[in-house]
Amino acid sequence: EVQLVQSGAEVKKPGESLKISCKGFGYSFASYWIAWVRQMPGKGLEWMGSIHPTDSDTKYSPSFQGHVTISVDKSISTAYLQWSSLKASDTAMFYCARYPYSFDYWGQGTPVTVSS
Amino acid sequence: QSALTQPPSASGSPGQSVTISCTGTSGDIGGSIYVSWYQQHPGKAPTLMIYEVSQRPSGVPDRFSGSKSGNTASLTVSGLQAEDEADYYCSSYGGSNNFAIFGGGTRLTVL
Repeated sequence: EVQLVQSGAEVKKPGESLKISCKGFGYSFASYWIAWVRQMPGKGLEWMGSIHPTDSDTKYSPSFQGHVTISVDKSISTAYLQWSSLKASDTAMFYCARYPYSFDYWGQGTPVTVSS
Repeated sequence: QSALTQPPSASGSPGQSVTISCTGTSGDIGGSIYVSWYQQHPGKAPTLMIYEVSQRPSGVPDRFSGSKSGNTASLTVSGLQAEDEADYYCSSYGGSNNFAIFGGGTRLTVL
């Protein structure tokens, strides 16, 4: 059974750094793009970027380029989303999803709260 | 890379059919077979309902169907049931320069 399991909820202060993770199970992790999707409170889904585990080829949405970093460690079937300096406006739910040009399997989501 | 355009809301009575539209451009929906639809219930992760314009993943009821004409894709839910009440999002892949894009979402209410 394909599963994506994300790291747990985070509460951070503005200016702090953060790295959240997404581990794949039940399929050939290296064969599929992994995408990150943001959902701000009460709002819609926004594609942030995608990474291919085989060669770490990464695509970013122009809206998120330079604000986040997506990485992968294929040896442990895990993708990451990280911030170097969080802002209050980064408060949101973040989902990872497998992306064979549709988001076919989703993680459970990682809620991130940034508040002073 | 602008979001795809969906109506903010749609509604129908149990047993009726409802269609949700998703309008893009020739650079995304109009030029791609990779158009997909997602259902999201409150507090839950989205789930894939339609991929490649009109394909249903296993486990998705055949009451859900997808189509495309030009730059507009559509999701039709037939025989509406109470559990269909949710938010629905469309998405398209449009090549290397338009890798993934979502619509703004449509809240479907079953009256």
